[in-house]
Amino acid sequence: AQTVTQSQPEMSVQEAETVTLSCTYDTSESDYYLFWYKQPPSRQMILVIRQEAYKQQNATENRFSVNFQKAAKSFSLKISDSQLGDAAMYFCAYRANSKLTFGKGITLSVRP
Amino acid sequence: KAGVTQTPRYLIKTRGQQVTLSCSPISGHRSVSWYQQTPGQGLQFLFEYFSETQRNKGNFPGRFSGRQFSNSRSEMNVSTLELGDSALYLCASSSGTGNYGYTFGSGTRLTVV
Repeated sequence: AQTVTQSQPEMSVQEAETVTLSCTYDTSESDYYLFWYKQPPSRQMILVIRQEAYKQQNATENRFSVNFQKAAKSFSLKISDSQLGDAAMYFCAYRANSKLTFGKGITLSVRP
Repeated sequence: KAGVTQTPRYLIKTRGQQVTLSCSPISGHRSVSWYQQTPGQGLQFLFEYFSETQRNKGNFPGRFSGRQFSNSRSEMNVSTLELGDSALYLCASSSGTGNYGYTFGSGTRLTVV
């Protein structure tokens, strides 16, 4: 069974600083996709970034980038130049067999 | 382009009743998935529909069922409600494979009393 582990329940970062959220997963699949989703208090899950497992190049979306280590089954999210609007719950997710498996999430707070 | 629309946003039901939740996907999206979110269990996959066919199902009792219509709109039904069914139910749509990610709705908050 696929599992996704986010070991840090909470993190805090100073505005304008950089923070890294960690995620590990376990799978026997060779073809899969990884995602980071953000869930603000409005409840709507927002896609932050995606990574194809077959691509070695790390995905980047503006201030968000990932460090994908396939052999180690690690998929961390780096947020640069943190902004107050980045405060939310962040979920790491793995997709295979037409379903998403989520980690427990991490609450990120941003200090002004 | 309209997003994923879930109705109602809030619902209060009594134990033993049944409930139906609705999800309208993004126009052109043929895949709809449902997830249950609770503080204790986190986000758990319920089922996914593609072109009116259930493509995958999570580990939930048979009281949880769903369907998809020809216009891709989906409904989820929970019968004989239990207190433990209180949760945020999220619907997500994708164009097909979901490899480019899923777009989520704002969810339906169900409270069972």
